[in-house]
Amino acid sequence: AIQMTQSPSSLSASVGDRVTITCRASQGIRNDLGWYQQKPGKAPKLLIYSASSLQSGVPSRFSGSGYGTDFTLTISSLQPEDFSIYYCLQDYSYPYTFGQGTKLEIK
Amino acid sequence: QVQLVESGGGVVQPGGSLRLSCAASGFTFSSSGMHWVRQAPGKGLEWVASIRYDGSNEYYADSVKGRFTISRDNSKNTLYLQMNSLRVEDTAVYYCAKERPGFDYWGQGTLVTVSS
Repeated sequence: AIQMTQSPSSLSASVGDRVTITCRASQGIRNDLGWYQQKPGKAPKLLIYSASSLQSGVPSRFSGSGYGTDFTLTISSLQPEDFSIYYCLQDYSYPYTFGQGTKLEIK
Repeated sequence: QVQLVESGGGVVQPGGSLRLSCAASGFTFSSSGMHWVRQAPGKGLEWVASIRYDGSNEYYADSVKGRFTISRDNSKNTLYLQMNSLRVEDTAVYYCAKERPGFDYWGQGTLVTVSS
């Protein structure tokens, strides 16, 4: 199974900051990676698919990049509603695997 | 609008069975791959199972292989997860999700608690 190593596991930042979260795959996955945001008690929400494509309705301050084994999610200017948990998911091959999650907290 | 509504969760004893359902609407269900994802209390997301749009192939996490079965009824726009030989560690909120690529729509989740 492909392992997804996500970092950092937690991150403190302020409104207006630029933040980056990374996911590293244990083997190449082309661009078959998505990023998800989850708020407490809610279902995850797709932000980015195919590594860099912005899901409809998601603010443009979210962006994704990467190919092969290294991927990043960038939030260009943090807004109060962005403080959540973020996960990456590889959908290149079964079994699909999530990263461990990154908890983004207010500094 | 796209809606996915899970049902069938509850409390069950270890070794017991449950069948989850996911009723889909607002999109062409018979053209979409579908997935189950779970989240144990206070833990991260875990992919559980997937099924192709026509039901021709199924895929499972090692943790549930041989115990869980994913299926679908395209005439009823419904996805299922039959869970047998349940273990305490299967306790989680179970979500169904639609494939786009990426899991672009999710249900609200249904809680399964395995406890004696």
